[in-house]
Amino acid sequence: EVQLVESGGGLVQPGRSLKLSCAASGFTFSNYYMAWVRQAPKKGLEWVATISTSGSRTYYPDSVKGRFTISRDNAKSSLYLQMNSLKSEDTATYYCARHERAPDYWGQGVMVTVSS
Amino acid sequence: DVVMTQTPVSLSVSLGGQTSISCRSSQSLVHSDGNTYLYWYLQKPGQSPQLLIYKVSNRFSGVPDRFSGSGSGTDFTLKISRVEPEDLGVYYCYQGTHYPYTFGAGTKLELK
Repeated sequence: EVQLVESGGGLVQPGRSLKLSCAASGFTFSNYYMAWVRQAPKKGLEWVATISTSGSRTYYPDSVKGRFTISRDNAKSSLYLQMNSLKSEDTATYYCARHERAPDYWGQGVMVTVSS
Repeated sequence: DVVMTQTPVSLSVSLGGQTSISCRSSQSLVHSDGNTYLYWYLQKPGQSPQLLIYKVSNRFSGVPDRFSGSGSGTDFTLKISRVEPEDLGVYYCYQGTHYPYTFGAGTKLELK
């Protein structure tokens, strides 16, 4: 059974940093692209980042490019999202997802609140 | 960016009934590799989204055949037949053809 468990969320002040983690199990992690998708409170879904199997290629929308960094550790079956220079509009539930052109399996999500 | 326009915004349906949701993209979703990367998701209340349909018309693992997807180019449809209580929630379309990947705004399916 595919399982994705996010951690690292919480309350952070604007301009500060936060790092999310995602522990994967139930599939061969190193064989799959992975992604982060977020959902602001009562809003729709927004793709945030994708990383290739080796980690050599990463992709971001303009809204987070230069501030967020996706990475992975295949030996630990773990995915990460380093978020810098956080803004109030980054407040959202962040989902880790296995990604084959699109998310197929999703974690339960972790809440990030950016507020002073 | 590719804009995904879903209609309607909300739907009321009777249990056992049939309904459909439309998704239109601002650009063709046909990739240079010949595939069309259009997907449908359902987010039930308080849950993570779940994949229903991939590449226009293929049901994901465990998805009942009451769900069907169709379309091509820029116009796509999700049909739900014999609606059951567990089908209620918000449906999203998504395109994985062009960066940045984008979702539709969602269609809320409620009971009549």
